[in-house]
Amino acid sequence: QSALTQPPSASGSPGQSVTISCTGNSSDIGLFNFVSWFQQFPDKAPKLIIYEVNKRPSGVPDRFSGSKSGNTASLTVSGLQADDEADYHCASYAGRNNYVFGGGTKVTVL
Amino acid sequence: QVELAQSGAEVKKPGASVKVSCKASGYTFSAYFLHWVRQAPGQGFEWMGRINPNSGETNYAQTFQDRVTMTRDTSVSTAYMELSLLRSNDTAVYFCARSKNPKQLDLHHWGQGTLVTVSS
Repeated sequence: QSALTQPPSASGSPGQSVTISCTGNSSDIGLFNFVSWFQQFPDKAPKLIIYEVNKRPSGVPDRFSGSKSGNTASLTVSGLQADDEADYHCASYAGRNNYVFGGGTKVTVL
Repeated sequence: QVELAQSGAEVKKPGASVKVSCKASGYTFSAYFLHWVRQAPGQGFEWMGRINPNSGETNYAQTFQDRVTMTRDTSVSTAYMELSLLRSNDTAVYFCARSKNPKQLDLHHWGQGTLVTVSS
């Protein structure tokens, strides 16, 4: 199963929005509404911030939102803050009890 | 509170095997899938497989099908991941994480990670 495609980096100024794409195919993102997003700080375990395309676990600010169109899922971080600077990883169910991850996107707050 | 405590760092030679443990506490061990995910230095994540602690049923990523074995011991609420025939590009941090939904990768809780270094 091929990995999902994410841009290696994205950036924005404080208060702005940044959107990260995650492109798969018709066998994973395009077929299932089971896309998750994870936030990871250096040398730390990841934290789940979005699941099932657009659901937020309790405690995750509503500045984080997810969406999907066709074979591409997106994560938008609104009202960018300095402590949003981290790596963001997408993942999707790929059928037959398999999952795929993206390569990760480093978000820089300018 | 939910905790997944993993075993410590390992250094292995090429061709050897490594077994990483993941001890669960703070919840009913058998009620959640346990997934294993790895992250090579500076890279993204790679899903390796999962185990249903209730039944012991496993699902492995095709990439690891021939080299990985996931097991569990319900008496001590611990899951294990053994990777054999190690090569240098298996050097990575290995994480366990739990999910509820059989299709959703709703990994709300993760272990702290175990660094496995493969070097001659």
